[in-house]
Amino acid sequence: ETGVTQTPRHLVMGMTNKKSLKCEQHLGHNAMYWYKQSAKKPLELMFVYSLEERVENNSVPSRFSPECPNSSHLFLHLHTLQPEDSALYLCASSYSWTGTGELFFGEGSRLTVL
Amino acid sequence: TQLLEQSPQFLSIQEGENLTVYCNSSSVFSSLQWYRQEPGEGPVLLVTVVTGGEVKKLKRLTFQFGDARKDSSLHITAAQPGDTGLYLCAGLYNFNKFYFGSGTKLNVKP
Repeated sequence: ETGVTQTPRHLVMGMTNKKSLKCEQHLGHNAMYWYKQSAKKPLELMFVYSLEERVENNSVPSRFSPECPNSSHLFLHLHTLQPEDSALYLCASSYSWTGTGELFFGEGSRLTVL
Repeated sequence: TQLLEQSPQFLSIQEGENLTVYCNSSSVFSSLQWYRQEPGEGPVLLVTVVTGGEVKKLKRLTFQFGDARKDSSLHITAAQPGDTGLYLCAGLYNFNKFYFGSGTKLNVKP
């Protein structure tokens, strides 16, 4: 139990569907992150939020849309995805988005796009 | 081009053997972290090294940060099945961005 909870754990969707991934952290952290983990590739940073403000957007396609309504919750809205978007999506939080702080990861949402 | 190269990608050894995993880059990092990820879970931090040449020990695991802060190694002594997992290095660049290596998948057979 890392204090970061992701739902759903598994999601299968068609290319025309719209779905959302949810992340909640109970650690009082100020920064939250979305990472994409694909087989044999490094973790790819997608988005960073610090105190509910987006501070990093790593050239992610617009079919991925993040939302951070407060410092404890982070969403990733998905629409018209491609099969190559199938991956494990990891949410993480840290005390601050600068410095050497530890990243606390959730267990991930395994996404399959048909 | 990956900023951090990890090697080997896969390692399958018998219980009791020693092993070393490497994390290399041409870039200088503010700090470097090692994470372990078990199947069905997210990565969990093992250690952070900050100073060039720093060595940290965590039971049977020894972590070293290169003098120039461009590379790191993880050495496991007398590996056990419980050490099985994906080991990830992550370098902190410009004090606010972590770059991850692609990972070393370790399998320790009893």
